[in-house]
Amino acid sequence: AQSVTQLDSHVSVSEGTPVLLRCNYSSSYSPSLFWYVQHPNKGLQLLLKYTSAATLVKGINGFEAEFKKSETSFHLTKPSAHMSDAAEYFCVVSVLQNTGGFKTIFGAGTRLFVKA
Amino acid sequence: DTEVTQTPKHLVMGMTNKKSLKCEQHMGHRAMYWYKQKAKKPPELMFVYSYEKLSINESVPSRFSPECPNSSLLNLHLHALQPEDSALYLCASSSRTENTEAFFGQGTRLTVV
Repeated sequence: AQSVTQLDSHVSVSEGTPVLLRCNYSSSYSPSLFWYVQHPNKGLQLLLKYTSAATLVKGINGFEAEFKKSETSFHLTKPSAHMSDAAEYFCVVSVLQNTGGFKTIFGAGTRLFVKA
Repeated sequence: DTEVTQTPKHLVMGMTNKKSLKCEQHMGHRAMYWYKQKAKKPPELMFVYSYEKLSINESVPSRFSPECPNSSLLNLHLHALQPEDSALYLCASSSRTENTEAFFGQGTRLTVV
């Protein structure tokens, strides 16, 4: 079965310290992977995407993620957290189905808290 | 212009009311989506339009009726909703339906009373 698992429902960091949000996927085919951020009562904003090019992907606001096929992971990192990073983060997989169409699967989300 | 605009931002409606949510994009995207998001949950796909034709309906109750008048506009008509339909409704668009990122609107916060 194709799925995406965000390993932490909540992550809390202090301002200025590194951020790690973990995501594992399961797919029969080589997937496309995305990270989105959602601030309270807002829509989702794309942070970065992996679509079978470079395995280390740089996104907006200093975020980056590394696609590791052997570990089926796509963890999101940032060297130094800012208060404005406090939000919900979704790992999303786009997978090719047996029928030939694509299916988008959302992870359950990780709430990032940033302490002053 | 990389925006998806949704109106209204907030909507309160009674269970016998008829209302519509509107979504607009001017990025030339040919795929548009409606999602429903409950608190502390990821968005759930409701409908997908591809080239102005409904391509996916995720078994959504008929009290939700989508409409795509042209390639830039997407509506969601609401009728006889239930309190459990209260949620954030998100519109999104993408250049194609396959394997690409979506651009999301800010959402409409719907409360059914």
